[in-house]
Amino acid sequence: DTAVSQTPKYLVTQMGNDKSIKCEQNLGHDTMYWYKQDSKKFLKIMFSYNNKELIINETVPNRFSPKSPDKAHLNLHINSLELGDSAVYFCASSQDRLAGGETQYFGPGTRLLVL
Amino acid sequence: GENVEQHPSTLSVQEGDSAVIKCTYSDSASNYFPWYKQELGKRPQLIIDIRSNVGEKKDQRIAVTLNKTAKHFSLHITETQPEDSAVYFCAASYPSGGYQKVTFGTGTKLQVIP
Repeated sequence: DTAVSQTPKYLVTQMGNDKSIKCEQNLGHDTMYWYKQDSKKFLKIMFSYNNKELIINETVPNRFSPKSPDKAHLNLHINSLELGDSAVYFCASSQDRLAGGETQYFGPGTRLLVL
Repeated sequence: GENVEQHPSTLSVQEGDSAVIKCTYSDSASNYFPWYKQELGKRPQLIIDIRSNVGEKKDQRIAVTLNKTAKHFSLHITETQPEDSAVYFCAASYPSGGYQKVTFGTGTKLQVIP
């Protein structure tokens, strides 16, 4: 199942480092998302892009910077990593028609551990 | 913005029994309600969804009901099996600024005891 893919799958790094996570979808969807899932399993949306345009930015620290080079890719760069950034980060995509909402297809997740 | 509450946070049932998970939402403009299942270490995946013009939808052992007046919707799993053990998330999607936003519930960890 490679509809939505993320790299890397695991990321272990030291506090203060800068790291990036990449996401690609081959579903032809217009909208992509980044979610953070903490140890309590809460799924919290961070960002959403529609056709390379940022449409949702949910009070995420500015150490997190998403970039969408085209509508099939949405990358997440994190500066000055902190212990609290340890979580699983999921990328997702949806067709996002204007009427009614759409299913989101999730990537496999990137497990980030900050030491 | 939308607020979605989900209960219970954990649920244990005997194999073969039914399981019910309930969610409430706050924004009457919400028009799409998906349910996602997340197995341990895996990604969330859609198992069933319902739109606001429908009151009930069923797919084999899984059903979802929607009460727009009361702003709540529920997931029903009948004849539970061990492979139903997972975390289940409800969500509510609503129009905002020309797009659809989605808010997830806090998840229910379902354990089916063989």
